[in-house]
Amino acid sequence: DQQVKQNSPSLSVQEGRISILNCDYTNSMFDYFLWYKKYPAEGPTFLISISSIKDKNEDGRFTVFLNKSAKHLSLHIVPSQPGDSAVYFCAPGQWGGGSNYKLTFGKGTLLTVNP
Amino acid sequence: DADVTQTPRNRITKTGKRIMLECSQTKGHDRMYWYRQDPGLGLRLIYYSFDVKDINKGEISDGYSVSRQAQAKFSLSLESAIPNQTALYFCATSLQGKTGYTFGSGTRLTVV
Repeated sequence: DQQVKQNSPSLSVQEGRISILNCDYTNSMFDYFLWYKKYPAEGPTFLISISSIKDKNEDGRFTVFLNKSAKHLSLHIVPSQPGDSAVYFCAPGQWGGGSNYKLTFGKGTLLTVNP
Repeated sequence: DADVTQTPRNRITKTGKRIMLECSQTKGHDRMYWYRQDPGLGLRLIYYSFDVKDINKGEISDGYSVSRQAQAKFSLSLESAIPNQTALYFCATSLQGKTGYTFGSGTRLTVV
């Protein structure tokens, strides 16, 4: 059973426009939500996160919105740049026993920003 | 130098062979993970270790084994490689009480 769904395998936008990447989850115990970015031939790198006690977190061109009642989060990139072309993974997490924290990754969305 | 180093970066092996992928880290993190990435399937957890004496199966552990030789080293073995284990493998680390993971650059494994 997929706990984390990124329903758009790919997204294509024009440079300068907004990119919106979506993520839905089913596990109400998730309490922290991370986004990772992955370029070809590299490992994923942390991009931005949001705690479940917030509904918005902003870092430069990147903003993440969280709607807990809908179990939905989205990543907005404004303005989009060609260097943003990558695979984006949504990765919610929850605390287990003994301060053990584990992330669950979505399948990823390939963003292509066209010049 | 990379904080999380995976070796080899690329490997082609034959069906039935035993192969080991290695991961070492200089971040001082206590938790280490092995993931595999397949097209359209995202990152799936194979094994994870919260400390040297703690090893746990992930969602797709069949056909794999791991060894945590030291806090900084975590190796993944395929006892008898099969073609559907062809994938990109990532090692990741994290620190107790923290939420973020640091990933290595990956090992591309091809089983022919």
